[in-house]
Amino acid sequence: AQSVTQLDSHVSVSEGTPVLLRCNYSSSYSPSLFWYVQHPNKGLQLLLKYTSAATLVKGINGFEAEFKKSETSFHLTKPSAHMSDAAEYFCVVTRYGQNFVFGPGTRLSVLP
Amino acid sequence: DTAVSQTPKYLVTQMGNDKSIKCEQNLGHDTMYWYKQDSKKFLKIMFSYNNKELIINETVPNRFSPKSPDKAHLNLHINSLELGDSAVYFCASSQDITSEYNEQFFGPGTRLTVL
Repeated sequence: AQSVTQLDSHVSVSEGTPVLLRCNYSSSYSPSLFWYVQHPNKGLQLLLKYTSAATLVKGINGFEAEFKKSETSFHLTKPSAHMSDAAEYFCVVTRYGQNFVFGPGTRLSVLP
Repeated sequence: DTAVSQTPKYLVTQMGNDKSIKCEQNLGHDTMYWYKQDSKKFLKIMFSYNNKELIINETVPNRFSPKSPDKAHLNLHINSLELGDSAVYFCASSQDITSEYNEQFFGPGTRLTVL
């Protein structure tokens, strides 16, 4: 069985400061991991995915995530937050694309 | 061109009614999904189809029936709507189920409100 924990339901940062959204997973197998973003009243958009080619994954809009097997973590970071980053972020674990398990989401607020 | 489209975008209806939500993808993908997102933003998979065949059927009331007339379409029919069915329903597609690195492409969602 697979599961995803997102440790913070809400993160608030000031514009221009770093962003850290935490994700821990549980999987019996080597997982595939994704981060999706959902802006208000919109569908979900892929930010980045872990493909096992490299543990540090770069995504769109300056986001990146590091896969740490020993810590079963896949935290999402961005060096400098922008107002347009305010959204809901979902960490997702899957195996062979058959059962995508979503975390509960982290709402990111960016203060001016 | 919209990759994954859903209709309608909003659906308001009375308890007990039957309604359908349509989904179409023009990406040439083999696999399609339906998700339910509740008021707390929690996303849960409902169904998954691969090449028109049902491969995932989570614990969902049998009032919900998916139908895939072809690979590009996965419709969701809901009978005898209940208040608890109010949610946002997302359709998604992915290339296939053989690669674990396939990402899903999501539609814009259908906000269903049952009165």
